[in-house]
Amino acid sequence: ETGVTQSPTHLIKTRGQQVTLRCSSQSGHNTVSWYQQALGQGPQFIFQYYREEENGRGNFPPRFSGLQFPNYSSELNVNALELDDSALYLCASSAPGTGSKQYFGPGTRLTVT
Amino acid sequence: DAKTTQPTSMDCAEGRAANLPCNHSTISGNEYVYWYRQIHSQGPQYIIHGLKNNETNEMASLIITEDRKSSTLILPHATLRDTAVYYCIEGQGGSEKLVFGKGMKLTVNP
Repeated sequence: ETGVTQSPTHLIKTRGQQVTLRCSSQSGHNTVSWYQQALGQGPQFIFQYYREEENGRGNFPPRFSGLQFPNYSSELNVNALELDDSALYLCASSAPGTGSKQYFGPGTRLTVT
Repeated sequence: DAKTTQPTSMDCAEGRAANLPCNHSTISGNEYVYWYRQIHSQGPQYIIHGLKNNETNEMASLIITEDRKSSTLILPHATLRDTAVYYCIEGQGGSEKLVFGKGMKLTVNP
């Protein structure tokens, strides 16, 4: 158990819809990163939030957006869902000064039909 | 793209040491080597990291070659629960993105 929680666990959406995924970071962690993991692949970096500001973004279109709240919890929003968005979405939190040591949640499995 | 290379898969007998290799021939002087693993259907789990010295913690040991172009993760007494995909990743000292490759599937057999 890492102390990072994600909700929901599973989600089924239809193409074109919008989805919001949620993440609660481990206590004391002010940085949250989001990753997308397609079946059989390693996780791919979407973006990172540090103290409520976006702090780096991977190669994902603008329809992927996020928020970080004052308590350091975070949301990932995806608009205009496409079939290829079906994946496991992982969030990870990290503490100041700990480098790339990140603590991952269990993920949200999103299926787009 | 990931800058490390790992074998696709490896088998190990339960109770034996598992030695997982990783090549990172283009690693720069300020980059660390991080190891994570992902057990089926769970989020990745941090194992260990190092810069140039060998490191050991309660989970594993990390041996980095003197030229830093490769490293080996050692699980001293593998158990069935160590069956997972293991990722070797280059990372810098700041909080930043992790660049995962496809990793290496370790199967521990009874």
